[in-house]
Amino acid sequence: GAGVSQSPSNKVTEKGKDVELRCDPISGHTALYWYRQSLGQGLEFLIYFQGNSAPDKSGLPSDRFSAERTGGSVSTLTIQRTQQEDSAVYLCASSKDDSSYNEQFFGPGTRLTVL
Amino acid sequence: RKEVEQDPGPFNVPEGATVAFNCTYSNSASQSFFWYRQDCRKEPKLLMSVYSSGNEDGRFTAQLNRASQYISLLIRDSKLSDSATYLCVVNIGEYGNKLVFGAGTILRVKS
Repeated sequence: GAGVSQSPSNKVTEKGKDVELRCDPISGHTALYWYRQSLGQGLEFLIYFQGNSAPDKSGLPSDRFSAERTGGSVSTLTIQRTQQEDSAVYLCASSKDDSSYNEQFFGPGTRLTVL
Repeated sequence: RKEVEQDPGPFNVPEGATVAFNCTYSNSASQSFFWYRQDCRKEPKLLMSVYSSGNEDGRFTAQLNRASQYISLLIRDSKLSDSATYLCVVNIGEYGNKLVFGAGTILRVKS
């Protein structure tokens, strides 16, 4: 079956612009996660959804970052007034539910470059 | 102190060698543990879960020592295709399935 998909695959933007990143989880997966990976760094947790609610937003770096999920499926991560330090690969993952033993399946990521 | 610490490597080994990676974690409330594999410019993929009793999957063996907060991965008979970054991953379990990733250990297997 189809895996997690993300769009766009690459995004180049100018400092100060807003960007929206999209994630389509695996069909039937109720839990969805956003991470980012900066060059040479480990993955950093941003936020996770169980259904449409976000029990844990603790990883969002600033109030310029927000995410939503509607219909229990697609999620968008929005970064307002982008800064150069926002440049990273943004990865989305989904799992069957938010049990701590469930495998998370990752999408290919969106590579964001802020000039 | 990082929540999950790994030796970044790189580990350069010949084909057929046995190689071991170690990882320590700081949160004693961590509930589940994994090794993920990440190929260059690709997304991470689950290699194996790690259980307290230790578990084996073919050439790969994972061990967990809760008392020492230590996780290991052993790869026997290394193949060229094992070359990748190996991520030690801990679920800290405060809210659902929140994974904390180590920065990864680079393995290069050479012929």
